Amino acid sequence: AQKVTQAQTEISVVEKEDVTLDCVYETRDTTYYLFWYKQPPSGELVFLIRRNSFDEQNEISGRYSWNFQKSTSSFNFTITASQVVDSAVYFCALRAYSGAGSYQLTFGKGTKLSVIP
Amino acid sequence: SQTIHQWPATLVQPVGSPLSLECTVEGTSNPNLYWYRQAAGRGLQLLFYSVGIGQISSEVPQNLSASRPQDRQFILSSKKLLLSDSGFYLCAWIERPGVTDTQYFGPGTRLTVL
Repeated sequence: AQKVTQAQTEISVVEKEDVTLDCVYETRDTTYYLFWYKQPPSGELVFLIRRNSFDEQNEISGRYSWNFQKSTSSFNFTITASQVVDSAVYFCALRAYSGAGSYQLTFGKGTKLSVIP
Repeated sequence: SQTIHQWPATLVQPVGSPLSLECTVEGTSNPNLYWYRQAAGRGLQLLFYSVGIGQISSEVPQNLSASRPQDRQFILSSKKLLLSDSGFYLCAWIERPGVTDTQYFGPGTRLTVL
């Protein structure tokens, strides 16, 4: 079975602080994809990043960076110099193959990030 | 480019009334389509998915149903709404099923059952 754990339910930081959102996953698949999504107050889930299990290189995109470590089954997300616009719920997800041609995502329960001005 | 639409954006319905939520995707063909519900607790619950016209798979038994009458149209329905059906309903589609499987989400429908 697939499982994604985001142990941090809510985090509050002051603007310009760095913050790391944790994600730990479980899967028996040797090939899999991991994802991060952002859900701002408007509600729509915004895709941030996809990482496949064979690529353990860290990735940086502006103030965002992702640390993928297969040894610890973790895919953590760091926001550097946080801004108020970063306030949102962030979801980590794992791709599982559910058969019959469908590929489902298993989501964590999300981490609510509040950036205080 | 691809676009996903959902309507209505918000809906307030009495208990026992019917429901029809619509999702359409533009700019792609034969997508995998998904319905999720997000209750007040924030977690995303997969309700239905479809790999093609007329092909629906249900993940959770409930009083909801889904249909896919056209390639890029996915409908979520209920004959009689319950209070517990309140929530935020999200439709999603997959780009390149079996290759990258990135799900892209629509703007959502916020349903309140009174």
